[in-house]
Amino acid sequence: EVQLVESGGGLVQPGGSLRLSCVASGFTFTAYAMSWVRQAPGKGPEWVSGSSVSGDRTYYADSVKGRFSISRDNSKNTLYLQMNSLRAEDTAVYYCAKYAESSTWDYFDFWGQGTLVTVSS
Amino acid sequence: IVMTQSPATLSVSPGERATLSCRASRTVSHRVAWYQQKPGQAPRLLVFGASARATGTPARFSGSGFGTDFTLTISGLQPEDSAFYYCLQYNNWPTWTFGQGSRVEVK
Repeated sequence: EVQLVESGGGLVQPGGSLRLSCVASGFTFTAYAMSWVRQAPGKGPEWVSGSSVSGDRTYYADSVKGRFSISRDNSKNTLYLQMNSLRAEDTAVYYCAKYAESSTWDYFDFWGQGTLVTVSS
Repeated sequence: IVMTQSPATLSVSPGERATLSCRASRTVSHRVAWYQQKPGQAPRLLVFGASARATGTPARFSGSGFGTDFTLTISGLQPEDSAFYYCLQYNNWPTWTFGQGSRVEVK
């Protein structure tokens, strides 16, 4: 059974930092690109960042470019999102999402349960 | 690419049909997926490739469309189909864009 378990969310002041983690199990983590997707309260999902299988190629939404950094540790089956210079508009539930086909960038077939990030003073 | 969904909210009776629309600001070929999300849960994949049902998706869910106009039809609505529905385009690599969602109320 595929499982994605996010952690690391919480309350942080504007300008602060947080590091999110996503531990994967139930599939060959080293064969799949992965992404972070967020959802602000009452809004639709927004893709944030994606990582290739090896982590050598990373992509970011314009809204987070230069502030967020995605990485992965394939030895630990873990995906990370380092978030710096946080703003109120970054407040959202952050989901870890798996791509459906190995070694491709297509659609997301499985999501974790999410971790809430609240940016507020 | 902007994905625009309509209607924002749809209220229907059990057993009726719901038709949800998703329009892309430019062509996305057949690369559209649909997701269902219930309160407090993560989105769940229903349809990919515009019309292919994901594993476990009931046959009452059907997707169609190509290019810029896509539809998710839910036939014989059940109370458990009450949820938000989102479309996703995955043609414009390396960016993925969701619609703002349609809420379906079955009552």
